Amino acid sequence: DIVLTQSPLSLPVTPGEPASISCRSSQSLLDTNGHNYLDWYLQKPGQSPQLLIKYVSYRASGVPDRFSGSGAGTDFTLKISRVEAEDVGVYYCMQARQIPPTFGQGTKVEIK
Amino acid sequence: EMQLVESGGGLVQPGGSLRLSCAASGFTFSTYWMSWVRQSPGKGLECVANIKKDGSEKYYVDSVKGRFTISRDNAKDSLFLQMNSLTAEDTAVYYCARGPDFGDRIDFLEYWGQGILVTVSS
Repeated sequence: DIVLTQSPLSLPVTPGEPASISCRSSQSLLDTNGHNYLDWYLQKPGQSPQLLIKYVSYRASGVPDRFSGSGAGTDFTLKISRVEAEDVGVYYCMQARQIPPTFGQGTKVEIK
Repeated sequence: EMQLVESGGGLVQPGGSLRLSCAASGFTFSTYWMSWVRQSPGKGLECVANIKKDGSEKYYVDSVKGRFTISRDNAKDSLFLQMNSLTAEDTAVYYCARGPDFGDRIDFLEYWGQGILVTVSS
C-alpha cells in the first residue's frame, strides 16, 4: 500500500497568518493519464471529514480560495493563505492512485 | 439535499458480527462509487471498503479482507457493510462516503455521513 507521511503533525497558527502542511508519498501518485491523485480533507472538531481539494489543486465546491494545493509525484503541499478561526481541525491527505485509498496520519491545526 | 445516514452500529462481542447500513438520498445513488471509511478512537482515517456504482467491483483494505463484505442495493439507495469475526481492533466510527460518478477508482470522497460507532468488547 502507498504510505503518506504528513508534516508537521501539530501546527499552532495565528489568525491572519499563512499555514502550510506537507504530504509525502512512498510512491508516485502520477498516473499514466498525467493526473496526480492526491486529495485534502479537513475534519473539524466533532464533525465528519470534508473534502477540501481534489486532484492536488482543485478546490471542492464551497471551499474558500484561501485554501490552495500544489505538488506532483511524491511531494504535495496544502496552504492556507490567511488562517481563520474556523479552519481549526485535523487535515488529512489521501492518495487515490491505488485502491484502496490511504490517508496520511493527519495534521492538527489549532489557534495559538 | 444530499444525505448519507448510517445505522446498525453498537456493541458487539469479539468474534461477533454486525451489519452496517447507509441510506442515501438527494442524489442518484446508482451512479456513484461508494466507500466505508473508519476512524478508530483518537486515530486517523482508514478506507476499509469500496464498491463500484453497479456493484461489479469491490475493494478492501488488507486488514478486513475475508471478514468484511461491502454491498449495495441501488433499487433502495442503500449501502451495506457486513462485518464478521470482529476484534477489538475493529472498534471505530464508521463513515459512509460518496465517491465520484465516473472512472475506475475512488478519485475523492466528496460527501460523508455523520458516522456510526462500532464497539467490539466483551
